[in-house]
Amino acid sequence: GQNIDQPTEMTATEGAIVQINCTYQTSGFNGLFWYQQHAGEAPTFLSYNVLDGLEEKGRFSSFLSRSKGYSYLLLKELQMKDSASYLCAVASGANNLFFGTGTRLTVIP
Amino acid sequence: DTEVTQTPKHLVMGMTNKKSLKCEQHMGHRAMYWYKQKAKKPPELMFVYSYEKLSINESVPSRFSPECPNSSLLNLHLHALQPEDSALYLCASSHSQGAGETQYFGPGTRLLVL
Repeated sequence: GQNIDQPTEMTATEGAIVQINCTYQTSGFNGLFWYQQHAGEAPTFLSYNVLDGLEEKGRFSSFLSRSKGYSYLLLKELQMKDSASYLCAVASGANNLFFGTGTRLTVIP
Repeated sequence: DTEVTQTPKHLVMGMTNKKSLKCEQHMGHRAMYWYKQKAKKPPELMFVYSYEKLSINESVPSRFSPECPNSSLLNLHLHALQPEDSALYLCASSHSQGAGETQYFGPGTRLLVL
């Protein structure tokens, strides 16, 4: 089975840095995705990690530790438009995605 | 272009109706997916098609019937749905069903069953 945990809600200030954690227990791990989803819209791809370490992409970075079953998404220089849900998804088997419950991030002025 | 389109955007149907959801992509992707997302919940996988053949059915009730007429199109036929089937239905596609292939999502169809 799959067990993926994320905090339900987070609040951060515009211009700050926020780290969203994700822990997982899964069989047949084939990588971990982070998606952003604004209310009522489709999830959009942010990052993919399959090897341990940090992947940086502009203001967004994602980290993976396979031995610890742990990942985080780091958002720098927060903007109001970053207010959204952030979904951690584990790829298992033949690219089946299992999503965590998502973290609703609110960016305040 | 990483666009997946879905029609209609919104759908209201009665429990005796028959309707279809449509999904289209022109990225040459050979894997296509249907997800169901209830409010404030994560997407849950329903079906996967790989090279136009049904690869995965996550024990979805038979009132949902998927169809993949060609490599660009994916349909979801709905019949005799229940109110609890009201949700956002998301379509996604990826280059293949290989491990780690990024799935690109459409905007979804918001379904209300009365």
